[in-house]
Amino acid sequence: QITLKESGPTLVKPTQTLTLTCTFSGFSLSTSGVGVGWIRQPPGKALEWLAFIYWNDDKRYSPSLKSRLTITKDTSKKQVVLTMTNMDPVDTATYYCAHRPSDYWNAVHYFDYWGQGTLVTVSS
Amino acid sequence: QSALTQPPSASGSPGQSVTISCTGTSSDVGGYNYVSWYQQHPGKAPKLMIYDVSKRPSGVPDRFSGSKSGNTASLTVSGLQAEDEADYYCSSYAGSNNFYVFGTGTKVTVL
Repeated sequence: QITLKESGPTLVKPTQTLTLTCTFSGFSLSTSGVGVGWIRQPPGKALEWLAFIYWNDDKRYSPSLKSRLTITKDTSKKQVVLTMTNMDPVDTATYYCAHRPSDYWNAVHYFDYWGQGTLVTVSS
Repeated sequence: QSALTQPPSASGSPGQSVTISCTGTSSDVGGYNYVSWYQQHPGKAPKLMIYDVSKRPSGVPDRFSGSKSGNTASLTVSGLQAEDEADYYCSSYAGSNNFYVFGTGTKVTVL
């Protein structure tokens, strides 16, 4: 079965760079059409899509955060890494990674499996 | 890219139906049939309930249904049950540049 798990620091200081790792199992990121996305959720607030990486290393970023985000993958380690620079207290949130499946016949634009999320607090 | 607009709350008694709206623009909801809905219980990860406007993943009860008209998508939960009490978020594909956008979220209460 497909599982994903986020890991990284629980506390970062303002202006620091956040690095989060999504370690997954049950699928390969070398399979055509498959992708992994990052989504965050500030406490008590809505979900916000951040970044996405395709099996072929194509990448997409939220326009409002694009200058601060980098997403990479290590297919052999079954990991996807998200870095966010210049962290601010408003970036305090639970960060999720999620699996986007592939479909040979149709485009796919949803996330069917999510990690448990990791809470990152930005504070000095 | 602005978030899709959902009502903050919705409620219904057990057995009743509740419908949640999700309003976007012609650049997202209205432009593509790629609206999905997620259920989130407190402290838990979101769970996919509907994809491609009206398709249900395996294991999701048929009490959950989705539709779309113009720039507004809707999720209907029929035969409300206590376990349906949760937050619900819509999401839409928004083109190759903006990619994905989520809704503001709706808290469903079972009275």
